[in-house]
Amino acid sequence: AQSVTQPDIHITVSEGASLELRCNYSYGATPYLFWYVQSPGQGLQLLLKYFSGDTLVQGIKGFEAEFKRSQSSFNLRKPSVHWSDAAEYFCAVGAGDGGSNYKLTFGKGTLLTVNP
Amino acid sequence: DVKVTQSSRYLVKRTGEKVFLECVQDMDHENMFWYRQDPGLGLRLIYFSYDVKMKEKGDIPEGYSVSREKKERFSLILESASTNQTSMYLCASSLFSTWYEQYFGPGTRLTVT
Repeated sequence: AQSVTQPDIHITVSEGASLELRCNYSYGATPYLFWYVQSPGQGLQLLLKYFSGDTLVQGIKGFEAEFKRSQSSFNLRKPSVHWSDAAEYFCAVGAGDGGSNYKLTFGKGTLLTVNP
Repeated sequence: DVKVTQSSRYLVKRTGEKVFLECVQDMDHENMFWYRQDPGLGLRLIYFSYDVKMKEKGDIPEGYSVSREKKERFSLILESASTNQTSMYLCASSLFSTWYEQYFGPGTRLTVT
């Protein structure tokens, strides 16, 4: 069964500082990996996804993530954080075989606080 | 833009009541999902549907049922609400081919007293 671990429950950074949110996954085959963001009072929004190919993927809002198979990781990064990035971030892994196996497994989330 | 709407943002019900949570999407998506979100537990899949009248159990289906009579509408039913079903409920939809790219509604915060 697939699983996702986000080791950091809460991270605080200063505006303008760089950001890295950690994600480790467990899955038997090549995973489909995703980062979603949930702003306060909102539903989740897809930030970026990885299926195959280039291990560094770019997403919306200036975010990027790097897939490292040897470390089973898919960490999210941003070079300079803005106050509007304050939100909860969820890493997710999905099986890629379609059919009725449409399940995304989400991590427990990392809450990001941005100090002015 | 894809729009997923949920019938209520906040709902308060009594133990034992039958509760209906409604979700509507306007992008002709084949797939629809119901998740439950709890602090420290993340999102957990309750049920999903990949076609009208079709449904599949997720990770935590106990105490819930669903209905999908029309493509755009997916209902979550709590037959007899209990206090441990107090939670945030999120609906999502996606195309069949890009099932992983799910579009979420704003959520319904249900309190069962």
